[in-house]
Amino acid sequence: EVQLLESGGGLVQPGGSLRLSCAASGFTFSSYAMSWVRQAPGKGLEWVSAISGSGGSTYYADSVKGRFTISRDNSKNTLYLQMNSLRAEDTAVYYCAKFGVVGAQAPDAFDIWGQGTMVTVSS
Amino acid sequence: DIQMTQSPSSLSASVGDRVTITCRASQGISNYLAWFQQKPGKAPKSLIYAASSLQSGVPSKFSGSGSGTDFTLTISSLQPEDFATYYCQQYNSYPLTFGPGTKVDIK
Repeated sequence: EVQLLESGGGLVQPGGSLRLSCAASGFTFSSYAMSWVRQAPGKGLEWVSAISGSGGSTYYADSVKGRFTISRDNSKNTLYLQMNSLRAEDTAVYYCAKFGVVGAQAPDAFDIWGQGTMVTVSS
Repeated sequence: DIQMTQSPSSLSASVGDRVTITCRASQGISNYLAWFQQKPGKAPKSLIYAASSLQSGVPSKFSGSGSGTDFTLTISSLQPEDFATYYCQQYNSYPLTFGPGTKVDIK
């Protein structure tokens, strides 16, 4: 069964840092691009970042560019999101999502989502 | 950036009703359009990709159509488990963008 399991969320002060992880299982992790999507409380979905299967290409929303870094360790089947200089507006549930096509280089549709991890930025 | 809009923002419907949700892109995106269902407190679930292709395991009561800038999601006969919020999303280009959502609740 294909599964994505996020972890690492929590309460952090403004200006602080947090690293999220997404453990993947049930598929050949290195063959698929992956992404992070977030949802602020009571709000809609916002795409955050994406990374190619090899990790060689990364993409970011303007709202997080320069503060967040997406990465992956294909030997550990794990996706990461390093979040620095956190702001109150970064408070959200963060989901990892798998793109559906093997080896996709261009953007692709998500097929599988994790259950999410909550990040709260507050003093 | 490509902006996505949805209409209506919410609707009330009865079990058995046929429901249609519209999504519009600010520029042409071919068929690079996906639909998702989200229930309160749960992760989104992928329903449709490439505007009209069902994800694996998604029942055929869901269907999608459209190309270019205008798209629709139709639920042929609404069941209790279908009451949720539905989002469209374009994947024609980065940044990926979502519509604001359509909440479907019980009349």
